[in-house]
Amino acid sequence: NSKVIQTPRYLVKGQGQKAKMRCIPEKGHPVVFWYQQNKNNEFKFLINFQNQEVLQQIDMTEKRFSAECPSNSPCSLEIQSSEAGDSALYLCASSHRDWDSYEQYFGPGTRLTVL
Amino acid sequence: GDSVTQTEGLVTLTEGLPVMLNCTYQTIYSNPFLFWYVQHLNESPRLLLKSFTDNKRTEHQGFHATLHKSSSSFHLQKSSAQLSDSALYYCALSDRGSALGRLHFGAGTQLIVIP
Repeated sequence: NSKVIQTPRYLVKGQGQKAKMRCIPEKGHPVVFWYQQNKNNEFKFLINFQNQEVLQQIDMTEKRFSAECPSNSPCSLEIQSSEAGDSALYLCASSHRDWDSYEQYFGPGTRLTVL
Repeated sequence: GDSVTQTEGLVTLTEGLPVMLNCTYQTIYSNPFLFWYVQHLNESPRLLLKSFTDNKRTEHQGFHATLHKSSSSFHLQKSSAQLSDSALYYCALSDRGSALGRLHFGAGTQLIVIP
């Protein structure tokens, strides 16, 4: 069972408001991923980190979305100005770097509703 | 770029019959990492199987899959469906042949098992 912790589980915001969600990866997992799962159950990768450094991110993330994984603090994903289309399940996943233990484990997700 | 195709959006089976969910992928990298995740209603995805070894069967919880690089396939199978297998199943490919890469998910297959 995954031990990735995400808070809050549910988030309701108005359009234009900031929305912030947090993730604590499994202990010992230096790699963290954020995905968005929309109402059609389609996944979209947003960003990933190795320790505090960004590995990959998509263009959308560079504009209204910001994310960080500071040392000794939870990782976070923030939407600066929420839009209706941002309503989705935001999933955080973490993984090892080891060659034989590289799979990603998902947290329970933060379900964002933008009114 | 990397992509995954799951041809069946919905599979409905009677309990006790065999399960086969199709997954094919595209990548230019010679060592792809493939995964099957299962997502039950109102839950987050959970890893079911993983593989990066050609022609080697991997098994877990009654499910099995074999990565075939010659046909770019990683089909999920189970000999006898159970009611509790009803869920969304996603095939996923790790980006750029990297164990640390983001996941490219297929569109998912909704499996419904009926008595």
